[in-house]
Amino acid sequence: DQQVKQNSPSLSVQEGRISILNCDYTNSMFDYFLWYKKYPAEGPTFLISISSIKDKNEDGRFTVFLNKSAKHLSLHIVPSQPGDSAVYFCAAISNAGNMLTFGGGTRLMVKP
Amino acid sequence: DAGVIQSPRHEVTEMGQEVTLRCKPISGHNSLFWYRQTMMRGLELLIYFNNNVPIDDSGMPEDRFSAKMPNASFSTLKIQPSEPRDSAVYFCASSLGRGDTEAFFGQGTRLTVV
Repeated sequence: DQQVKQNSPSLSVQEGRISILNCDYTNSMFDYFLWYKKYPAEGPTFLISISSIKDKNEDGRFTVFLNKSAKHLSLHIVPSQPGDSAVYFCAAISNAGNMLTFGGGTRLMVKP
Repeated sequence: DAGVIQSPRHEVTEMGQEVTLRCKPISGHNSLFWYRQTMMRGLELLIYFNNNVPIDDSGMPEDRFSAKMPNASFSTLKIQPSEPRDSAVYFCASSLGRGDTEAFFGQGTRLTVV
């Protein structure tokens, strides 16, 4: 039973356009959400996070939106760059623990 | 800091052999995690240590898998005997612990069991 789901295994976007990666969760105990980025042959690296008390967090080209009622979050990258091509993992932490629960990942390809 | 260090980077072994993966967390981090990444299941948490004590090992697939953390700077994940379906990339991650939510990952160990 996947508590964090990324329903799109891949996404292709033209350079300069917006990339939108989506994530859904089922556990209402999750109160902190993170996005990790992973290049081939490397470990995931932290990208951006959001607390459940907020609905938006922005860091440069990256913005994460949280819709608690829908149990949905999204990562927006604008403008997209070829160097953004990677696998993006959504992760969540419950208020009862310290463990990250990951989604299955979305492979983003930004075409020049 | 060199970050989380995992060894070996690649391991190829025959079915039935014992495999030991090693991890050195970031100095000062109190929590350590072992994850497995596969195409089918994505990133799965196997086990989580806090202050060298296993807190949650519900993700460990079978008795063939065991993990230890003898001290704050070293952890091992052992598979004995190994099977082809254990082939995956295994990641170790560490964090400061409760209240700090960002985990830092090592580069992973790619395990191939033939």
